[in-house]
Amino acid sequence: AQKITQTQPGMFVQEKEAVTLDCTYDTSDPSYGLFWYKQPSSGEMIFLIYQGSYDQQNATEGRYSLNFQKARKSANLVISASQLGDSAMYFCAMREGRMNTGFQKLVFGTGTRLLVSP
Amino acid sequence: GAVVSQHPSWVICKSGTSVKIECRSLDFQATTMFWYRQFPKQSLMLMATSNEGSKATYEQGVEKDKFLINHASLTLSTLTVTSAHPEDSSFYICSARTRGRPNAPQHFGDGTRLSIL
Repeated sequence: AQKITQTQPGMFVQEKEAVTLDCTYDTSDPSYGLFWYKQPSSGEMIFLIYQGSYDQQNATEGRYSLNFQKARKSANLVISASQLGDSAMYFCAMREGRMNTGFQKLVFGTGTRLLVSP
Repeated sequence: GAVVSQHPSWVICKSGTSVKIECRSLDFQATTMFWYRQFPKQSLMLMATSNEGSKATYEQGVEKDKFLINHASLTLSTLTVTSAHPEDSSFYICSARTRGRPNAPQHFGDGTRLSIL
């Protein structure tokens, strides 16, 4: 079974509009973390935002916010005021396991390609 | 912020050659580094977890003798693709976690595009 599911292979948004990228996850571990990364065409992975399973509030980082719905096991990324430079692949990832084990792994979704048009 | 340097950024070589890729954490100590492989238009697949001073932990299906990992210090891990063949052509990317910060994200290198002719 997929641990991280991103159902949108591609999304289009107009510049200055907001866009939501979907991510659902599956885990039985009560302690986990959710991450969003951006991968431009050049290939590097850029960390955007993090949400811990015990965090009470939704994470926000500048124009990025995470709509965390624990009961639904969803962690959607919201990008406000889209810019042309936001065009890239976006990956949702989950870290499972207790924080002190040192052997935590990230499991990535299949990604969503976002295209921002002028 | 945390910076991870990966070298080389791209390699083109003949079949049968061994290729070494370096991953360095420049401004922090990384007890754990991760090696991923990414095929075109696909997601990142974890190959192995590299821990300083101990043997790497490989994911199921990854050949240990094919992909040699060495984590000799808290700032350097290397991946050697031994006797590379065209099917090993891929984008390889490493990441590192900051020591002592469990909630810290993995910081990624810029990746290495490997093309075997």
